[in-house]
Amino acid sequence: KAGVTQTPRYLIKTRGQQVTLSCSPISGHRSVSWYQQTPGQGLQFLFEYFSETQRNKGNFPGRFSGRQFSNSRSEMNVSTLELGDSALYLCASSLEARETQYFGPGTRLLVL
Amino acid sequence: SQQGEEDPQALSIQEGENATMNCSYKTSINNLQWYRQNSGRGLVHLILIRSNEREKHSGRLRVTLDTSKKSSSLLITASRAADTASYFCATVDYGQNFVFGPGTRLSVLP
Repeated sequence: KAGVTQTPRYLIKTRGQQVTLSCSPISGHRSVSWYQQTPGQGLQFLFEYFSETQRNKGNFPGRFSGRQFSNSRSEMNVSTLELGDSALYLCASSLEARETQYFGPGTRLLVL
Repeated sequence: SQQGEEDPQALSIQEGENATMNCSYKTSINNLQWYRQNSGRGLVHLILIRSNEREKHSGRLRVTLDTSKKSSSLLITASRAADTASYFCATVDYGQNFVFGPGTRLSVLP
């Protein structure tokens, strides 16, 4: 099976812009989770989607949003980018949220 | 605050030695998982141990779980240079919340 893919791999934006990141889970996986990883805060949970419904949400402002499509592909959007949003954004898929998560390579976002 | 807290934050050992990392957590869990991350890349799942299990093995990995002490340990035996990475524990509670600790940076010197 193909692994989790994320696009784009690298992204440079300026403050105030918005960005959309994409994640394609492993075939058959219906749960997709997103994480933000920074040197200062570590790995922080953003949200989890299952069958097109957001089931869990982390402690992030409303500028961070996501969605999941009927084919389980997921997107996350960050509006009005801030310098502090510079991070590695990781997507993970699993059969069920509590079970083993399979991570993509991540999208590295730099906000200037 | 973080659910899982790894200890030590960094560990440096020689090839062939064993590496032990610990993880402590605060609340009841459904399972605990260990992941490895090589320099700025995606995480790779290593092992999952459920709350009713005490020990699991996978190749050179041995994980223990003590729910009374709310702690887990990951032992890597006969370490290799390729084991150099950051190791994270993740606790999963019954609300399906997945929380990662800050990680342990392991350096295996040839």
